[in-house]
Amino acid sequence: RKEVEQDPGPFNVPEGATVAFNCTYSNSASQSFFWYRQDCRKEPKLLMSVYSSGNEDGRFTAQLNRASQYISLLIRDSKLSDSATYLCAAYTGRRALTFGSGTRLQVQP
Amino acid sequence: DARVTQTPRDKVTEMGQEVTMRCQPILGHNTVFWYRQTMMQGLELLAYFRNRAPLDDSGMPKDRFSAEMPDATLATLKIQPSEPRDSAVYFCASGLVLGPESHNEQFFGPGTRLTVL
Repeated sequence: RKEVEQDPGPFNVPEGATVAFNCTYSNSASQSFFWYRQDCRKEPKLLMSVYSSGNEDGRFTAQLNRASQYISLLIRDSKLSDSATYLCAAYTGRRALTFGSGTRLQVQP
Repeated sequence: DARVTQTPRDKVTEMGQEVTMRCQPILGHNTVFWYRQTMMQGLELLAYFRNRAPLDDSGMPKDRFSAEMPDATLATLKIQPSEPRDSAVYFCASGLVLGPESHNEQFFGPGTRLTVL
C-alpha cells in the first residue's frame, strides 16, 4: 500500500460547481499535510498547508481527519483556471514529504 | 519574489554521458530536496540536505547518482553514466526547518526535463 493515496480522476466538473478530493495516508505519525497544485509541464506549487483540523483560503478548504487518516480539499465555485493536477503530501517519519500521485481536475465551461 | 532556480531547464543527452543539474535554493532556506517525477512513478524523493549535510539519499541509485551541496547557495545532482530510464523531470525544492514543530513547507523550482537517448 502506498503511503499517500489519491484518486487519479479525472474529475470533470462544470464551472461554478463544488468539487472535493480526498487523500488517505498510512503513517499515523504524520503531522503536517499539504495540497499542491501542478499545471501541465510546470512545478508543483503550494496551495494549502494543513496542520490541525483544517484550513480555509477563499474558495479552497482543506480538512484533516486524523481518526480516519485522510485529508480533503474542497473547491467552491470552480473556475476554468482551477483545472490542474492536485497533489496531496504528508510528512512521514523521514522528515521529508511523501506525495500522492495526484488528482486531475478539469473544469469545463 | 524569492524562488528556487534550476539549470538547465531542458537537457537531451546520449546514454553513457554525464549529466549535472544545478539548483539555487531560496536564500535563507536550510533544507534542499531533490525529486524525480515520471508518469509511472509520480514524485519520488531522491535525496535531501539540511544545513548542507546529506540527511537521506536512500531514494537515489547510489551507483550512478550523486548529490552535493558545495555551498549554501548551490545544490547539484549528477548522473554518471546516464541511462534511458533516467529520463524524467528532476525537481529541486527548498524549505526552512527550524525544529520539530516546523511546518515543513517546501517550494519547488521549475525542474530540469532530462531525456536520455
